[in-house]
Amino acid sequence: EVVLTQSPATLSLSPGERATLSCRASQNIYISLAWYQQTPGRAPRLLISDASNRATGVPARFSGSGSGTDFTLTINSLEPEDFAIYYCQQRGTFGQGTTVEVK
Amino acid sequence: QVKLVDSGGDVVQPGRSLRLSCGATGFILNDHAMHWVRQTPGKGLEWLTVMSFDGNRKEYADSVKGRFTISRDTSTNTLYLQMNGLTTDDTGVYYCARALVGYSLDLWGRGSRVTVSS
Repeated sequence: EVVLTQSPATLSLSPGERATLSCRASQNIYISLAWYQQTPGRAPRLLISDASNRATGVPARFSGSGSGTDFTLTINSLEPEDFAIYYCQQRGTFGQGTTVEVK
Repeated sequence: QVKLVDSGGDVVQPGRSLRLSCGATGFILNDHAMHWVRQTPGKGLEWLTVMSFDGNRKEYADSVKGRFTISRDTSTNTLYLQMNGLTTDDTGVYYCARALVGYSLDLWGRGSRVTVSS
């Protein structure tokens, strides 16, 4: 079973800054990785599928990269609504999440 | 409007059963693989089960295998999760979700809260 490790656990940034989130897989998962955003009281929202494909309606400031075991979600120029928890997922496994909070 | 409306969450005693429902509007369930995912304070997001678009394949997480059953009613465009032998570890918010491709889930219900407590 694949284990996904996200880092850091918490990222403290200011609006306008760039966020770089990491997700490391315990084995080669090729590009089979999705990223989600979750805000309090709401369901997760798909941001990225297949490591780098932005989902419909997702702003261009969100980008995904990586393959194999190392993946990155980048948020360019944080907007107020981007402060949330971000999860990576590979098939039936989710990472533990990274919280992006206001510094 | 394309959406999923989940319902059926409740407070139940350990050992009891509960069935969650997920009504799909704006699209046909048969056209997509459908999943259930839960979120608990202890384990975060946990994938539970998937039904293939044709209904022929069902897979379950080890934690619920033998206790939970995914099904659907195509006449009402509704997905179900039958949960038997509930324990306190099953307490959480349960989401139904539609697969975009593979296990990437592009449409989620708002969640049903299940509390297992004596």
